[in-house]
Amino acid sequence: QVQLVESGGGLVRPGGSLRLSCAASGFSFSDYFMSWIRQTPGKGLEWLSIISGTGRTIYYADSVEGRFTISRDNAKISLYLQMSSLRADDTAVYFCARGSSGSSFLDYWGQGTLVTVSS
Amino acid sequence: DIQMTQSPSSLSASVGDRVTITCRASQGISNYLAWYQQKPGKVPKVLIYAASALQSGVPSRFSGSGSGTDFTLTISSLQPEDVATYYCQKYNGAPLTFGGGTKVEIK
Repeated sequence: QVQLVESGGGLVRPGGSLRLSCAASGFSFSDYFMSWIRQTPGKGLEWLSIISGTGRTIYYADSVEGRFTISRDNAKISLYLQMSSLRADDTAVYFCARGSSGSSFLDYWGQGTLVTVSS
Repeated sequence: DIQMTQSPSSLSASVGDRVTITCRASQGISNYLAWYQQKPGKVPKVLIYAASALQSGVPSRFSGSGSGTDFTLTISSLQPEDVATYYCQKYNGAPLTFGGGTKVEIK
């Protein structure tokens, strides 16, 4: 079955960097768009970024453009989010999710990894 | 960028009630609209895609309608297990913006 497992979250100081990973299994990873989404504790969902199956097409939300970089390694069946210049308002649970075949709605989600930005 | 506005932000209804949540896009998005359910402490789960298509395994009491800018999620008979926050999301192109969410509680 489809599984997505995020890792790499933790406590980081303002201005610092962190790299999140999302290990995928149970489907042909390279055939699917993948997204990162975050959720501030007690708040709503914020879509962050999407990457095509080949990695050639990438989009970002304005809130993270220039600070976050999405990438993927299809050989390692993994998705990544490199986060830099982190701010307190980046504190959130970060989810990876699969875009449905032929579409971009999110049909499978990981359990999320918590990133806390604090001094 | 297209903004997605949900209403109400919260509602309380009785078991068996018909519940309607609306989502409005600031520009037309055809039918590229999905609805997600997030139960407390859980991961979001897609209920509806293409504005009205029911995702496999989702109970038939959930339905979606609309096209263009105005969309509706309806729960025909609210059940205790439907307590959750519901989000709409546009996916006709980046950014794949979510609505602010609607928290549904049992009265």
